[in-house]
Amino acid sequence: DAGITQSPRHKVTETGTPVTLRCHQTENHRYMYWYRQDPGHGLRLIHYSYGVKDTDKGEVSDGYSVSRSKTEDFLLTLESATSSQTSVYFCAISQGLARTEAFFGQGTRLTVV
Amino acid sequence: TQLLEQSPQFLSIQEGENLTVYCNSSSVFSSLQWYRQEPGEGPVLLVTVVTGGEVKKLKRLTFQFGDARKDSSLHITAAQPGDTGLYLCAVVYGGATNKLIFGTGTLLAVQP
Repeated sequence: DAGITQSPRHKVTETGTPVTLRCHQTENHRYMYWYRQDPGHGLRLIHYSYGVKDTDKGEVSDGYSVSRSKTEDFLLTLESATSSQTSVYFCAISQGLARTEAFFGQGTRLTVV
Repeated sequence: TQLLEQSPQFLSIQEGENLTVYCNSSSVFSSLQWYRQEPGEGPVLLVTVVTGGEVKKLKRLTFQFGDARKDSSLHITAAQPGDTGLYLCAVVYGGATNKLIFGTGTLLAVQP
C-alpha cells in the first residue's frame, strides 16, 4: 500500500471554527490532491499541488485553503467551517506525467454542527 | 456542469447478470482511468486507457475508450457480489500541473 496517512480520521466541529486536515505521504510523489465526497457527486477536487509551494484551485475551492511547505505534507484548512462542508475528505498522491495512477488515503469524515 | 458525467448513477442487479456503465464528456482526453471504491476505503485504480477505440480486459471487466476519446464504457460480465462498489472514471489534464478530475460515479450493488 502507498504510504499515505490522513489525520484526523474523524472530526466533529462547530460552525464558524477553523479546521485543518493533514495529508502525509512517504512516497515522495510530486502531486497531491484534496477531494470531498458527497452522495451523488463522486469525488470533487478542492485543491491540488504540483510541487512544494505550488498549488491551484479545483472545482469546489470556495471556503478552503491549502499549504504545502514540504513534499510529504499537504494541509487543507477550512477557514470558517459551515454545515455544507460536512463531508468525507480524501487525499490522493500521484507521481504524474506518464505515471498518473492516484493513490488515496483512508479519508477523513468531518461533521460540522 | 461536471466535466465527466457517468450513467447510470445507481444500478442494482442480481448475481450473474451483465451490465455496462458509461463515462461521457464533451472534451477530448489523452487518456482515461477507471477506479473502484469500496465502502470506507479510497478508490483503487482498475485500468488506464490511452488510445481511441482501445479495449482492455481485466478478468470479467471490459473497458473501452471511445474512438473520439471523449467517452468510455465499462462492461461487467456475470457480475458477482464482490463487484459491488462505486465505479469512477477520471481524467488528467492541465499539462504539467496534472489536474486529476473524477466523474460523478456509478454505484453498483450486486445481490446474491
